[in-house]
Order: sequence, then structure tokens, then C-alpha cells
Amino acid sequence: GQNIDQPTEMTATEGAIVQINCTYQTSGFNGLFWYQQHAGEAPTFLSYNVLDGLEEKGRFSSFLSRSKGYSYLLLKELQMKDSASYLCAVLYGNNRLAFGKGNQVVVIP
Amino acid sequence: GAGVSQSPSNKVTEKGKDVELRCDPISGHTALYWYRQSLGQGLEFLIYFQGNSAPDKSGLPSDRFSAERTGGSVSTLTIQRTQQEDSAVYLCASSVHSGGEGDTQYFGPGTRLTVL
Repeated sequence: GQNIDQPTEMTATEGAIVQINCTYQTSGFNGLFWYQQHAGEAPTFLSYNVLDGLEEKGRFSSFLSRSKGYSYLLLKELQMKDSASYLCAVLYGNNRLAFGKGNQVVVIP
Repeated sequence: GAGVSQSPSNKVTEKGKDVELRCDPISGHTALYWYRQSLGQGLEFLIYFQGNSAPDKSGLPSDRFSAERTGGSVSTLTIQRTQQEDSAVYLCASSVHSGGEGDTQYFGPGTRLTVL
């Protein structure tokens, strides 16, 4: 089966930087996605990595190492609205996405 | 433009009843997916439609679950003889399916199903 591991929860202070890790073992790899999900809402797309290295999008950056089966999402200048669950998902096989359980980030003043 | 829409947003039913959940994907998206999200769990893949190809039903948990996609657009997920363990949020997603970032799936708001 597919295995996507993420820490379950972390707390960080407004204005700080937080790194959310994800390790994966999948039968095939066609890219890695990060989604943000606020409580009671649908996941929304944040970033996509398919090559090793760092992709930057404003306050959010995502890193991928395919040889290590590892990715992280970096959130800078944390805001209260960033309190959410962050889902790591790997695209494999016939256009299938395998999701981790999500990392709940709590931002405190 | 319009995103993925789902209806109803909430559904409460009695054990043993059948339910139908509807998904309208983004216009022009050829791929459509159904997932289930239970409390504290990751998204669980259910079924995948791509164009006119036969659907990938490998994630359906039992034969009580079925789905259709009519005219390559709207999809309906049907759960027969519902059980309490079917209670979850059912999410629908669609994608352009053009490779790379074009495989990004965009999610609807979900249907929260409660089986009493």
C-alpha cells in the first residue's frame, strides 16, 4: 500500500516560520502536492513539486527530495488565518493521489 | 469561474436507507474523483472517472457503494443500505488531467453524511 507520514499537530507563534514535514513510500511517483484545509472546508491547492528542490510561492515554499522520499512545506510570517490542517499528497500510478492524515497547525498570538 | 459544487451539503439518514450524493465538476475537467474523509483520518480514495474510460473503482469499500458519471460531467455517488460506519464527509474533486501540475485536483465543499 501507499504510506504518507506527517506529524499530527504543531503550534507556532504569529510572525514565526514553521516547517511541516512529509515522508512517503509509494508504488510510483508522479509529483507531490500540498493542500491547506480549514476546519469544515474543502482542501485547497497550495503547491506542486515533481523535481528535487525548492518551489517558492509568496509566504509558502515547498521542498522535495525524491531520493529520500521527503518533502516539507515552509510557512513564513505566520498569520492567524494560517491555522489549518496541511495535507501532503503523492500522485502515483494511474493518476491516483495518496494523502497523509494532515498536520494541524495552530497559530497563537 | 465556478468551482466544484456538491449537493446536499449535509445529509442525515437512518441506517438501512439509500442515499445519493451529487457532484458538478469544473467545466472542461475530464477527470473526476470521489474521496471519503472520516474524523481524524486522511482522505480515502473511492473512485476515479477519466473521460470515457472505464472508472477505477478499486477504492470502493463494499458493493453497497456505486457511482455514475453521466455525459462526462455530473457524477452521483450512491450508498445503499447505509451503515453507521458510512458517516463521513464525502469529497468530490476534478482535474484537467493534462500531466504535471495539470493533474492538480480541485475539491468541492463536500457532503457531510450522518447515519443514525
